[in-house]
Amino acid sequence: DAKTTQPPSMDCAEGRAANLPCNHSTISGNEYVYWYRQIHSQGPQYIIHGLKNNETNEMASLIITEDRKSSTLILPHATLRDTAVYYCIVRVEAGTALIFGKGTTLSVSS
Amino acid sequence: GAVVSQHPSWVICKSGTSVKIECRSLDFQATTMFWYRQFPKQSLMLMATSNEGSKATYEQGVEKDKFLINHASLTLSTLTVTSAHPEDSSFYICSARDPLSKDGYTFGSGTRLTVV
Repeated sequence: DAKTTQPPSMDCAEGRAANLPCNHSTISGNEYVYWYRQIHSQGPQYIIHGLKNNETNEMASLIITEDRKSSTLILPHATLRDTAVYYCIVRVEAGTALIFGKGTTLSVSS
Repeated sequence: GAVVSQHPSWVICKSGTSVKIECRSLDFQATTMFWYRQFPKQSLMLMATSNEGSKATYEQGVEKDKFLINHASLTLSTLTVTSAHPEDSSFYICSARDPLSKDGYTFGSGTRLTVV
């Protein structure tokens, strides 16, 4: 699976959009971009994933660049409960184990 | 959605004793489960992959005789930390392959192990 690079930490004001970047310059054509988050002392939670088109669900939006070498997870209106570590993972869709990098610690403050 | 019940959520044990952590898939059959370990302020590290009815596959550096994994049924996988030491204190998380979930996985809620 391709390697990803994320900033170690980000801050966001409550109610504002949180834009979390991820670089995956070695991504292969059949690899998807997955995003998970982990709230302190809980198991990871799936957020969203995509191949090349932008995706949106009830939690977030995923913007993937045209060359697929980077992506951005957007939380449109961050709340205090969105404070967590966010992991960007690139992988094929088959069910081997998820390999987590260091992620981005997002701190949302009022 | 599907649920993986992980038990206990936290446990304190004495050094030298063994601790068993259970992960149960409540409403689906999990032929494959994954076990992770997470130290404070670090990411999740994959320990092993367990397949129902066969021996687990351990990642490099994980002692198979210390971390015993049993996946004897399609709904239960267990991780036993044998002869626990303070350095084994960590957050242990299981994950099951769930073909019906959006991403193909369902995670347990984790077990906080403290060895004193």
